[in-house]
Amino acid sequence: EAQVTQNPRYLITVTGKKLTVTCSQNMNHEYMSWYRQDPGLGLRQIYYSMNVEVTDKGDVPEGYKVSRKEKRNFPLILESPSPNQTSLYFCASSFRDHGEQFFGPGTRLTVL
Amino acid sequence: QKEVEQDPGPLSVPEGAIVSLNCTYSNSAFQYFMWYRQYSRKGPELLMYTYSSGNKEDGRFTAQVDKSSKYISLFIRDSQPSDSATYLCAIVNAGGTSYGKLTFGQGTILTVHP
Repeated sequence: EAQVTQNPRYLITVTGKKLTVTCSQNMNHEYMSWYRQDPGLGLRQIYYSMNVEVTDKGDVPEGYKVSRKEKRNFPLILESPSPNQTSLYFCASSFRDHGEQFFGPGTRLTVL
Repeated sequence: QKEVEQDPGPLSVPEGAIVSLNCTYSNSAFQYFMWYRQYSRKGPELLMYTYSSGNKEDGRFTAQVDKSSKYISLFIRDSQPSDSATYLCAIVNAGGTSYGKLTFGQGTILTVHP
């Protein structure tokens, strides 16, 4: 089944404790991206990647890191999480940079 | 000013009504236009995709783009309770250093009541 998977789905952590949210797609898509969704603010792009080893900042990259060493994986790293990073996070992939985005199920992160 | 503005609603309509959802944008480099639907506790799913000015129809849904006015719309005819969801416009930047960057509107919460 073609899909985007994210893990974990739910995470509660404390300020400053490094964490990684994994994202993987099995559709051989070149484009992958991360979003956060907050009430009243909609979806905001954090980082995107148009191919392996190519990443670019979205609208809200501060406090996040990404890497794209393999085509299928695009992990999101929070080196020192803070409470303002409490949010619902979505990973997405698409065949090309302006194509249909396929979204993962979301990761609900709470930073205490 | 946000690059993409969308009226967050909420919007409540009776079953069978015509629904109009709208977004405006400010960046002329925006060239690809999409509408996504998001049900509660789910990721967004693509409804409509277009890249040129004019209308595109798919069943009960019509997407309209006016590049000269930087305005996009989604119309839903004969709305159904199953259409109750959050609708998000999304626009891809096709120029300059932000090529490939995707910007979403804030989303409009729609409720269709029987």
